[in-house]
Amino acid sequence: AQSVTQLDSQVPVFEEAPVELRCNYSSSVSVYLFWYVQYPNQGLQLLLKYLSGSTLVESINGFEAEFNKSQTSFHLRKPSVHISDTAEYFCAGVSGTYKYIFGTGTRLKVLA
Amino acid sequence: DGGITQSPKYLFRKEGQNVTLSCEQNLNHDAMYWYRQDPGQGLRLIYYSQIVNDFQKGDIAEGYSVSREKKESFPLTVTSAQKNPTAFYLCASSAKGAVHGNTEAFFGQGTRLTVV
Repeated sequence: AQSVTQLDSQVPVFEEAPVELRCNYSSSVSVYLFWYVQYPNQGLQLLLKYLSGSTLVESINGFEAEFNKSQTSFHLRKPSVHISDTAEYFCAGVSGTYKYIFGTGTRLKVLA
Repeated sequence: DGGITQSPKYLFRKEGQNVTLSCEQNLNHDAMYWYRQDPGQGLRLIYYSQIVNDFQKGDIAEGYSVSREKKESFPLTVTSAQKNPTAFYLCASSAKGAVHGNTEAFFGQGTRLTVV
């Protein structure tokens, strides 16, 4: 089946602590992978993407994700989170030419 | 600024009525999409369109209809046949599809539909 799996529905973490949001994809999903962030009542914003090349990709606000083909994973990490990082994060892949497949999302709650 | 505009942001509908959600993009993208978002279920694809005058059903098309008469517009109609229409609806577009290169999906700000 074509799927993108985010095992953690909610992740609480204290401010300035590191965080990892997990994402696994099925082998039938093309290896074009994305992380999006969604703030309440807003649309999704692209955080970072992997299309090819270096397996480690970075965003401008300190997040990074590593593509791991052997483990079919694309986990999102940040070494030190801020209160403003509180949001829902979606991992996505591609099925076929046009169809994007989204995980069910992980709610990151940063605690003071 | 280029982007995707969805309107209205909030919409209330009585049971049995059809309602149309607007989605307009000025990114010159070929592909457009409609997703439905429910708590804990992520995004589910309703319809997508690869090119003007062509569209395909997604995973949950029943009770919805679309049209693509212009490249920049992809309205979604929620019909009375949709049994549980209350949800957050997201429109997106992409240049040509991810497999062609730098073609992630860009999203609008969403429309929250409530049936009263």
